[in-house]
Amino acid sequence: DSGVTQTPKHLITATGQRVTLRCSPRSGDLSVYWYQQSLDQGLQFLIQYYNGEERAKGNILERFSAQQFPDLHSELNLSSLELGDSALYFCASSVGPDTLQFFGPGTRLTVL
Amino acid sequence: DAKTTQPPSMDCAEGRAANLPCNHSTISGNEYVYWYRQIHSQGPQYIIHGLKNNETNEMASLIITEDRKSSTLILPHATLRDTAVYYCIVGRSDYKLSFGAGTTVTVRA
Repeated sequence: DSGVTQTPKHLITATGQRVTLRCSPRSGDLSVYWYQQSLDQGLQFLIQYYNGEERAKGNILERFSAQQFPDLHSELNLSSLELGDSALYFCASSVGPDTLQFFGPGTRLTVL
Repeated sequence: DAKTTQPPSMDCAEGRAANLPCNHSTISGNEYVYWYRQIHSQGPQYIIHGLKNNETNEMASLIITEDRKSSTLILPHATLRDTAVYYCIVGRSDYKLSFGAGTTVTVRA
């Protein structure tokens, strides 16, 4: 158990819908990262937040957005969902922006 | 970020050492070598990392060549629970992790 929690564990929804994935970092960690893992793409970095501020952006679609709240938990919002958005979404956290990342158990999103 | 090359798969006998190679010939001076593993769709698990020197922890040893162009992860006594995809990642400590395809390691009884 890495100490990073993610909810929900599974999510099934329909195309066109919007969902929110939640991540609570390890106690004391200020940085949160989001990754997407689909069958044909591997693990792709989406976005990083450090102490509430966006720090780095990867291959995140415009339909996706994220934020980190004052209590340091983070949410990833996915809208206008498409079949291709079906994937595992992982959150990771680290103490600072330059330290090791520890991953949560992931949220499996299925878009029907 | 420097790219890495890993064999797509390898088998290992239970109880024996597993040696996982990784080539990273374009690594820069400030880039670390990280190893993570992922057991069947679980979140990636940190194993070990290093910059220049060899490193050892309770899970594994990391051997980095003197020119830093390649490294080897050693699992000293592989168990069935070590069956996983192992990722070798090279990057700066303050930046995103770029996961490749990794090496699928199957430990056989």
